[in-house]
Amino acid sequence: ETGVTQTPRHLVMGMTNKKSLKCEQHLGHNAMYWYKQSAKKPLELMFVYNFKEQTENNSVPSRFSPECPNSSHLFLHLHTLQPEDSALYLCASSQDPRSIEKLFFGSGTQLSVL
Amino acid sequence: AQTVTQSQPEMSVQEAETVTLSCTYDTSESDYYLFWYKQPPSRQMILVIRQEAYKQQNATENRFSVNFQKAAKSFSLKISDSQLGDAAMYFCAYRSAKSGANSKLTFGKGITLSVRP
Repeated sequence: ETGVTQTPRHLVMGMTNKKSLKCEQHLGHNAMYWYKQSAKKPLELMFVYNFKEQTENNSVPSRFSPECPNSSHLFLHLHTLQPEDSALYLCASSQDPRSIEKLFFGSGTQLSVL
Repeated sequence: AQTVTQSQPEMSVQEAETVTLSCTYDTSESDYYLFWYKQPPSRQMILVIRQEAYKQQNATENRFSVNFQKAAKSFSLKISDSQLGDAAMYFCAYRSAKSGANSKLTFGKGITLSVRP
């Protein structure tokens, strides 16, 4: 257990659905991240939040909408997704995005878009 | 832009034997960090080992060690005395050491390691 919890573990949704992924960290970290892991592709950084403020949006389509209400919680709101969005979505946290301290990852949400 | 290449998609090793996982990277920077992450079936990415580019000495963590060749831009991971629990996907990653840079990691595609009993 690394202190980063993601729910749900699995999610199947249609292209017209709206769903949300949740991430919670109990490590007292100030930075949180969303990564996308697709089969046979490198992990892709999607968003970075530092002290609840978004500091990076890596050209992610608007059908993905992040929300960070506080330093411990991070959401990824999904709407009108495409089948190619099916992937493992990993949340991570770190003490400070400027530090080299290791990232702590959650177990991810395996998303399937039908 | 930096890139990380893991050209071997899969490898297999006999339990108790040694295996080396390859990684190469491309960068124009002189100061950076390199990492190996392990992703077991639980899907939780775990840091295995870290190397600072300014250090000539290869990093070691118990049964895990790296062969860092800066001139060749090569960063391989050696696992000694392989155990069944080492079976996982392994990702090589790069991070700039530039002041002010956030913890943005550039990952390779990963390699699936299986351990034969």
